[in-house]
Amino acid sequence: GQQVMQIPQYQHVQEGEDFTTYCNSSTTLSNIQWYKQRPGGHPVFLIQLVKSGEVKKQKRLTFQFGEAKKNSSLHITATQTTDVGTYFCAGQGAAGNKLTFGGGTRVLVKP
Amino acid sequence: DTAVSQTPKYLVTQMGNDKSIKCEQNLGHDTMYWYKQDSKKFLKIMFSYNNKELIINETVPNRFSPKSPDKAHLNLHINSLELGDSAVYFCASSQVKGAYGYTFGSGTRLTVV
Repeated sequence: GQQVMQIPQYQHVQEGEDFTTYCNSSTTLSNIQWYKQRPGGHPVFLIQLVKSGEVKKQKRLTFQFGEAKKNSSLHITATQTTDVGTYFCAGQGAAGNKLTFGGGTRVLVKP
Repeated sequence: DTAVSQTPKYLVTQMGNDKSIKCEQNLGHDTMYWYKQDSKKFLKIMFSYNNKELIINETVPNRFSPKSPDKAHLNLHINSLELGDSAVYFCASSQVKGAYGYTFGSGTRLTVV
């Protein structure tokens, strides 16, 4: 079955620094979604990428979908304490199929 | 407020008991889901309903039985609870089978003692 892997599992970042989390699928995806879960909270939808090579930005967050539609990345610049949480990527194999979540990257920010 | 709401937020119960979790969405979405998040934060889909029809039924013990009386509600009943069932259970909903993002409820933290 479809598997989605995320690295790193943990990311300790100094406030103000940049970091990237990576997501890889075992199969080609129709779309990839990113979610953020604050400690004690629930996953919140951030963005969806559909097209091969697509890049989207949300303020300090940059999301990219790979050319082969099997990998994705999330890059955060100038990390702030509000960025603390777990970031999940989730892939959908074909429109309407189940959304498979990666294991998440837990981000801790050192002030 | 438009949202996905699930009750209860916390559930502590003894092994062997039967319990239910309820979920309601007022977003007008046509698909609803149950996800289980374990202590390592892995999110695993359990069930999905589209317009009251079961469309995803993962390898879940048959002690877990979902029920969708209408497209705005999806409940989860668990029989003979076991220690390993302790987790956070999230209800979610989406339009067009998830193609535009899921909206999650705030979760039910189930602890079996």
